[in-house]
Formats: sequence, structure tokens, C-alpha cells
Amino acid sequence: EVHLVESGGGLIKPGGSLRLSCAASGFLFSDYTMNWVRQTPGKGLEWVSIISSFSDRIYYGDSVKGRFTISRDNAKNSLFLHMNSLRPEDTAMYYCARHNDSSGEDYWGQGTLVTVSS
Amino acid sequence: DIVMTQSPDSLAVSLGERATINCKSSQTVLHSSNNKNYVGWYQQKPGQPPKLLIFWTSTRKFGIPDRFSGSGSGTNFTLTISGLQAEDVAIYYCQQYYTTPPTFGQGTKLEIK
Repeated sequence: EVHLVESGGGLIKPGGSLRLSCAASGFLFSDYTMNWVRQTPGKGLEWVSIISSFSDRIYYGDSVKGRFTISRDNAKNSLFLHMNSLRPEDTAMYYCARHNDSSGEDYWGQGTLVTVSS
Repeated sequence: DIVMTQSPDSLAVSLGERATINCKSSQTVLHSSNNKNYVGWYQQKPGQPPKLLIFWTSTRKFGIPDRFSGSGSGTNFTLTISGLQAEDVAIYYCQQYYTTPPTFGQGTKLEIK
């Protein structure tokens, strides 16, 4: 069974940094492109970043470009999101999601909450 | 970026009746290689992550009840829930995954009348 478990969220002051992790199991991690998607409280879904299976293709949403860095460790079945220069508007639930070229984001973790506030 | 616009924003339907949610893309999401529209539908219940229901416009993910169906072509797509059940109360999102970035509709809140 596919399992994605995020961690690393918390309360952080504006301008601070945070690293999110996503532990994957139940599938061959190195076969799949992975995403981070966020959801602000009571609002919709915003795609954040995507990384191909061997990290050769990486893209970011305009709102996080230059501040966030996505990475992965296929040997440890892990996905990461390094977030710098955090802003109050980055406050959201952050989900990691497996990308399937045929079906889109076919599995999601439960999410980790990031709150940026002084 | 491709904009996905859903309608309505909210919907109240009686148990056992049909719910219809629409989604319009700002440009084509048709892959010429396989003639498929790269549109998916997700269900999100309170406190849970989104769950994929349908991909390629009309293909149900394994395990999704057949009361959920998708249709559409061009830039107009529809999710239909036939025989609404209480457990279907949720927010539903459409998504295009034809290009990067993948983009979502704003969501449609489905309630019981």
C-alpha cells in the first residue's frame, strides 16, 4: 500500500527557514515524479514544486521561486522541501503527492502544517 | 498557466439525487499522442487530503464507486455523482495535468439538501 508521511511543519517567524520531509513507502520511489502541493486554511489547492524521478527536472510555482528548494533522496525514499525567507502568506498545509503521468497526483500524504507568524 | 474554473462554488443535492459539477479550462488539455484530455477530479473531506477519483476525464481510479463519472471534451468537463450518498459530502476539485504547473479549480462544496 502506498504511504506518504510528511513531517517538519510548525510555527516559524517571518523570514525564517524550515525543511519539510516526506517519507514514502509501498512503491518504488525512484520510479516516480513527486510534488509538493499546499492548501491555505479554508482555501483551495496550490501546486508548489515538482521533481522528476532522478532530479533532472525541477519546477517551482511563481510564488515560491527563489525561496524554496525541492530535493529527494531515492536511497532513503524521501522527498524534501527547503523553505527560506518564509512569509505569512506561506502559511498552509503542505502535502506531498505522487505524480503519475497518466493519472495526475494519485496518492497524497496527510500533510504537515506550516504557520508563519510573529 | 492554464486556469481551471469550476461551477457552481457550492451545491446542495438531496440524497439519492444527481450532483453535477462543471469545470472549464482556459485552453486545451488534449494530448495529441493519445487523444486524451488530462483532467482529473479529486474529493476532499474535512481534515483529509485530496483523493483522486477520476483521471483522463472519465477513467475511475481503482476502487472508486461507479456512481462517480466524468465526461467532457474541448475545454468543458463534468463530474457527475449519481445517487448521492451522505458520505459524498465533500469539496470537489478538478485539475489539469497536461502541463506544468498542474493547476486546480477553486473547488465546489457539495452538501446534502
